[in-house]
Amino acid sequence: NAGVTQTPKFQVLKTGQSMTLQCAQDMNHEYMSWYRQDPGMGLRLIHYSVGAGITDQGEVPNGYNVSRSTTEDFPLRLLSAAPSQTSVYFCASSSNYKNTGELFFGEGSRLTVL
Amino acid sequence: RKEVEQDPGPFNVPEGATVAFNCTYSNSASQSFFWYRQDCRKEPKLLMSVYSSGNEDGRFTAQLNRASQYISLLIRDSKLSDSATYLCVVNRKGYQKVTFGIGTKLQVIP
Repeated sequence: NAGVTQTPKFQVLKTGQSMTLQCAQDMNHEYMSWYRQDPGMGLRLIHYSVGAGITDQGEVPNGYNVSRSTTEDFPLRLLSAAPSQTSVYFCASSSNYKNTGELFFGEGSRLTVL
Repeated sequence: RKEVEQDPGPFNVPEGATVAFNCTYSNSASQSFFWYRQDCRKEPKLLMSVYSSGNEDGRFTAQLNRASQYISLLIRDSKLSDSATYLCVVNRKGYQKVTFGIGTKLQVIP
């Protein structure tokens, strides 16, 4: 079972560049989400989706876009990268959108913005 | 006040010791509670859910105190492999945004 797959695992960008972090899950989960993790800050929710065609903002959505065209995929787009977006990004999914505490995480994507 | 608070540690304990972590939450509407484990440079993984009646899984016991608004995780007979960061997660009923604590780092020493 692949579970939640994130690509790329590592990325270095220059300020102003754009990129997309990919996330795919093969568990037929309705709920998918993106988090960033920074030292001393814990995991913070960027965007989430409760099903194909439905997305909503989390705690720190500025500078990021998402879309959910299929149940399996939930890409995160950085529109114009800034050094403040240097972080570790995790995609997570859940089978129960009414109790989204039971999350399955991808292995993470480490992004550095110079 | 943060919605979920944890002591970041580190907690350094000898092998075989019993260690306990607490996590406090500020929103009384919180309904669901979880403990996750995160190894260094890895993704978080669900350790256990926390039920109102408390629950146990091997050497791990989780408890909920609604009156004082905290959850706890007790690890008995600590193993070197228990060294990790333990994240507290809280969710409100029908709310689709969970809140993570910053985590408590545990280091089990030989």
